[in-house]
Amino acid sequence: EIVLTQSPDFQSVTPEEKVTITCRASQSIGSSLHWYQHKPHQSPQLLIKFASQSFSGVPSRFSGSGSGTEFTLTINGLEAEDAATYYCHQSSSLPWTFGQGTKVEIK
Amino acid sequence: QVQLQESGPGLVKPSQTLSLTCTVSGGSITSGIYYWTWIRQPAGKGLEWLGRIYISGSTTYNPSLKSRVIISIDTSKNQFSLKLNSVTAADTAVYYCARDHGFDNWFDLWGQGTLVTVSS
Repeated sequence: EIVLTQSPDFQSVTPEEKVTITCRASQSIGSSLHWYQHKPHQSPQLLIKFASQSFSGVPSRFSGSGSGTEFTLTINGLEAEDAATYYCHQSSSLPWTFGQGTKVEIK
Repeated sequence: QVQLQESGPGLVKPSQTLSLTCTVSGGSITSGIYYWTWIRQPAGKGLEWLGRIYISGSTTYNPSLKSRVIISIDTSKNQFSLKLNSVTAADTAVYYCARDHGFDNWFDLWGQGTLVTVSS
């Protein structure tokens, strides 16, 4: 199965700062990489599909880039409501797999 | 607006079978091209895809579960279900049902999740 490795595992950030989360795949997955935001006691929410396509209703401060084995989720201008754990997910090869998550805390 | 809701026992004894149902409301489970999916998250850990079912009844499972899992669908009730047998404490997790967006395979809709604890 394809292993996704996110970095960092944890990030403490002040509001309005830029956040960058990386997801590396154990083999090339083209652009079949999606990002989710998961807040405590809520269900995960899709942010970015196919590496760089924003999902409907997602604030423009969230963006994604990358292809092949390296991908990035960027939050430009962190807001307090963005405190959450962020996961990448690959749909290139079954079984679908997720990264281990990156927890973003607001300072 | 389509919504998903998990239901089932919150406590299961070791070696027994975990059974959960996901009810689709606000739309038909047969509409569109979707795979109906189960995902879980053990406490303090990441997300694990368990398997999926299409309205035809065709299923795909995560090999890590080694034939312990069965996913079924009841289109007349707008529901799909998960059965995981021979459970151990390692199966304690929040279980989510989700909608896999057809050919593109992202998860655009999730249930709220339900905690299942395996304990005697």
